[in-house]
This record gives sequence, C-alpha cells and structure tokens, in this order.
Amino acid sequence: GENVEQHPSTLSVQEGDSAVIKCTYSDSASNYFPWYKQELGKGPQLIIDIRSNVGEKKDQRIAVTLNKTAKHFSLHITETQPEDSAVYFCAACYTGRRALTFGSGTRLQVQP
Amino acid sequence: GAGVSQTPSNKVTEKGKYVELRCDPISGHTALYWYRQSLGQGPEFLIYFQGTGAADDSGLPNDRFFAVRPEGSVSTLKIQRTERGDSAVYLCASSLKVRDEQYFGPGTRLTVT
Repeated sequence: GENVEQHPSTLSVQEGDSAVIKCTYSDSASNYFPWYKQELGKGPQLIIDIRSNVGEKKDQRIAVTLNKTAKHFSLHITETQPEDSAVYFCAACYTGRRALTFGSGTRLQVQP
Repeated sequence: GAGVSQTPSNKVTEKGKYVELRCDPISGHTALYWYRQSLGQGPEFLIYFQGTGAADDSGLPNDRFFAVRPEGSVSTLKIQRTERGDSAVYLCASSLKVRDEQYFGPGTRLTVT
C-alpha cells in the first residue's frame, strides 16, 4: 500500500518568513495530493490540493509543487503569520481508491 | 453552509463496553469516510461509503469495528468490547461523488478507561 513520509516534524519561523514542508510517497499510482491544516481540538481543514497532471498550484500565500518522477511534493507558505501556526498534514491517494494516506504531520510555529 | 458534524464530541467509556459514534455529512455529499487519529499522528483510514454501501472497509482493524449508513446520509461507527488501545479521535469526512476533496468534521475523542 501507499506510504507517505513528511519532514520536518517541527518547524519554527519568524513572522514574515517562508515555510516549506516536504512529503514523499511510495505508490506511483497516486494521483491526488491534498494538504490539511489542523488546529488544536479541531478536524483537519483542506487548504490546497494538487493532481498529478500539474506541477504547481498557488492560492494566495500558499503553493504546492509536485515532482512525479521523484515522487515528492511540497507545501510552501510565504509571508507567514501567527495564525498560520498549526499542524500541517500531507496526504496521497489515487482516485480509484479514495482512501487518503496521511503523513505524520509538521507542527509549524510562527513567532511574532 | 453547514459542515460535517459529529456527535458526541467526547466519549468516555469503560473497557469492554459498546460505543456508537455518529457522523452527519455535508448535505449532498454521497461519499463518507471514517478515519482514526492517535495522538501525534496523521489520520488513518478506516472505511469509505459510497451511498449506503461500504465501498472499502480495508482499514477496519478487526471485527469489533463496524459502520453503517442505512439511508445514504448519516453514518454510525460502532465499536464492540472496547479496549484501551481504541482510545483516539475518530474523524469523519465527506465528499461529492465524483470529487476527490474530502472535508472533515471536528471528530469524536474516545477515551477507554
């Protein structure tokens, strides 16, 4: 089955700096890669996703890149703000199966 | 509009007891998923419904776990003979039939004492 590894496990940045979180996946059949933000005591919130037919997607301060050959994808947050502090999870699946396999999470702390 | 709702938000039960956890998906979403999240880890897939039927139950850990969705909307996750290792946050998500995006509820925190 699919295996997703996520790094780093914790990340501390100064407000205004950029943050990058990286994930690798094992199943070359995977074609859908969402990113979730989870705040304490809440469920995961979908913030951006990418499909295997594109290499990059942006939404305001958030961007995701995908390298199918290397089987890795990354989340980029620019101009970080204290409210970006949360745990971020990457995930992967292929459309036929629908079950998401999640990474182990990155705790991002943005220092004001 | 209203998101995915889950009840109860917290459930404490004794080892060996039976529990039911409820999920109410986003209106119009035909696909429904259950995941389990242990402390400090990512969610792990349990089961996926498309309509009333379980399309994929490969993530259920053993036969003490069972889920139903009799009318294609609300789903109930049932755990028999609970064990302390079942303690976790149980998350429900839903999606439109032909879309990949899954939207999660707030979860039910289950504690087995």
